[in-house]
Amino acid sequence: GDSVTQMEGPVTLSEEAFLTINCTYTATGYPSLFWYVQYPGEGLQLLLKATKADDKGSNKGFEATYRKETTSFHLEKGSVQVSDSAVYFCALGVMDTGRRALTFGSGTRLQVQP
Amino acid sequence: DTGVSQDPRHKITKRGQNVTFRCDPISEHNRLYWYRQTLGQGPEFLTYFQNEAQLEKSRLLSDRFSAERPKGSFSTLEIQRTEQGDSAMYLCASSASAGGMNTEAFFGQGTRLTVV
Repeated sequence: GDSVTQMEGPVTLSEEAFLTINCTYTATGYPSLFWYVQYPGEGLQLLLKATKADDKGSNKGFEATYRKETTSFHLEKGSVQVSDSAVYFCALGVMDTGRRALTFGSGTRLQVQP
Repeated sequence: DTGVSQDPRHKITKRGQNVTFRCDPISEHNRLYWYRQTLGQGPEFLTYFQNEAQLEKSRLLSDRFSAERPKGSFSTLEIQRTEQGDSAMYLCASSASAGGMNTEAFFGQGTRLTVV
């Protein structure tokens, strides 16, 4: 079945450091890929998405590139801020299997220190 | 529209009791999803509606769980004879159908269930 594997957290960085959160996937069919973010006390929010190979999703300084050859969708940001502290979830959805639901990874907690 | 709304935000119940949660999706969204999230894990899919039709159910959804979306608007999730293992955050999400998975799913803040 479909699955998403994320690097375990917490990831602790100093402000302005470079961030990478690894995400790899297995999927039956051709997935769309997503990063969701969950800030403390809030619901999940879509951060960015990519729908086909080599697409780059970007938002709020975060980027992720859909790499079909390595089945990866790693999240990156060049300079993190304290306000980026949250839990980040990688997810996939496969339209051509008829499913509409997303499959999520277990999440990676990011802590950014001033 | 203020987004996806869930009620209650928190529920503490005794083992064996029945509980019901409500989700109000974004008004123009015809797709509605229920997920369950336990501590330290990502959301796990439970069930999916398109309008009032329940089109998919996860194997996680035991016979004690039932979900409805009677008029294609709000949805309820009922858990009968609750067990301690049902303790989790129950998330609702909605999306508009636009031909495929490219459509963003918007999540509510969830209902946290604690079974004692």
